[in-house]
Amino acid sequence: EIVMTQSPATLSVSPGETATLSCRASQSVSSKLAWYQQKPGQAPRLLIYDAFIRATGIPARFSGSGSGTEFTLTISFLQSEDFALYYCQQYNKWPFSFGPGTKVDIQ
Amino acid sequence: EVKLVESGGGLVQPGRSLRLSCAASGFTFEDSVMHWVRQPPGKGLEWVSGISWNIGIIDYAASVKGRFTTSADNVKNSLYLQMNSLRAEDTALYYCARGRGGLAQDAFDIWGQGTMVTVSS
Repeated sequence: EIVMTQSPATLSVSPGETATLSCRASQSVSSKLAWYQQKPGQAPRLLIYDAFIRATGIPARFSGSGSGTEFTLTISFLQSEDFALYYCQQYNKWPFSFGPGTKVDIQ
Repeated sequence: EVKLVESGGGLVQPGRSLRLSCAASGFTFEDSVMHWVRQPPGKGLEWVSGISWNIGIIDYAASVKGRFTTSADNVKNSLYLQMNSLRAEDTALYYCARGRGGLAQDAFDIWGQGTMVTVSS
């Protein structure tokens, strides 16, 4: 099983600033990496798939990069609605696996 | 409207069984890869199981293998999770989700709202 790790666990950022979230896989997942956003009481929402492609309706301030084992989610010009939990997920190999999440909160 | 609606959760004693359902609408269910993902209270996401009848894949997380069984009914457009020998650590909100492109390896673009399973005596 591929183990996913995320850092930091919590990221405190001010509105309007940029947040950079990291995700690492225990072995290469090629570009089969997704990012999800989850808010309290809600189901996860797909933000990015195939490492860098924004899902339908996702604003351009969300961008993904990386391949192999190292990935980054960048959120530019943070808006109030962006403060949430973010998970990465590999789907290169079954069983799929999620990272433990990064919480982005207001500084 | 593309939609997934889970049902069947509840309070169950350790060692007992429960069957979850996920009703799909608004898309071609038989062409899709479907998954179960769970989230214990206050914790992160854990992939539980996935199924693609077109591609011929069913797989499970190690934590549930041998106890949980995933199946689907293409006539009813429904996904099921039969959970046997339940343990306290299976307590979680269970989501069903759709693989985005109908491929065996793809992100999950549609999620239900989840159904809560509590395993306790």
